[in-house]
Amino acid sequence: QKEVEQDPGPLSVPEGAIVSLNCTYSNSAFQYFMWYRQYSRKGPELLMYTYSSGNKEDGRFTAQVDKSSKYISLFIRDSQPSDSATYLCARGGYNKLIFGAGTRLAVHP
Amino acid sequence: DVKVTQSSRYLVKRTGEKVFLECVQDMDHENMFWYRQDPGLGLRLIYFSYDVKMKEKGDIPEGYSVSREKKERFSLILESASTNQTSMYLCASSSRTPAGNEQFFGPGTRLTVL
Repeated sequence: QKEVEQDPGPLSVPEGAIVSLNCTYSNSAFQYFMWYRQYSRKGPELLMYTYSSGNKEDGRFTAQVDKSSKYISLFIRDSQPSDSATYLCARGGYNKLIFGAGTRLAVHP
Repeated sequence: DVKVTQSSRYLVKRTGEKVFLECVQDMDHENMFWYRQDPGLGLRLIYFSYDVKMKEKGDIPEGYSVSREKKERFSLILESASTNQTSMYLCASSSRTPAGNEQFFGPGTRLTVL
């Protein structure tokens, strides 16, 4: 079993839809979780960063961690074509990150 | 504007060649990382370094070596390139924290081994 599991998609939604991206993780010892966004032919960039359980909101993006079920989620409200990218979840710890496989999202007008 | 730069965006090499990929960061970060990214497999850590001349194996170090002679520079070496090393290679850096804080990535090098 991979330490961080993520459905690679692809996921295709119409503009304005609410998008839900999800990951599961296996090691409950770690408390830092991140979402990176990667546009085509670019390196990943940090989108959201959460510590422990709960929600964190930034504009149209909400990151959620449920430690009881070992679930990490990213919600995108009012999705835009510019949100089309690959989204990678990661858990942090010991100066390293463990990434999920990444979910490719396409938002069509 | 903080930056991680990689020496090449695209590289084509032949089987058996020695390949050098270079990465430079200007953020005075202690940690530097080399990943490869393949479809469906995500980012896999090859090697990382937490200080000059220090290195640790990641999840897939076989066929690779690294060098860190200066804090800002981290090199990935393919001693004898093989076709299964065709991939996107990403370099990253981060400050040293127990949490494994935000990593800043370079634009990547797409390596093709023929």
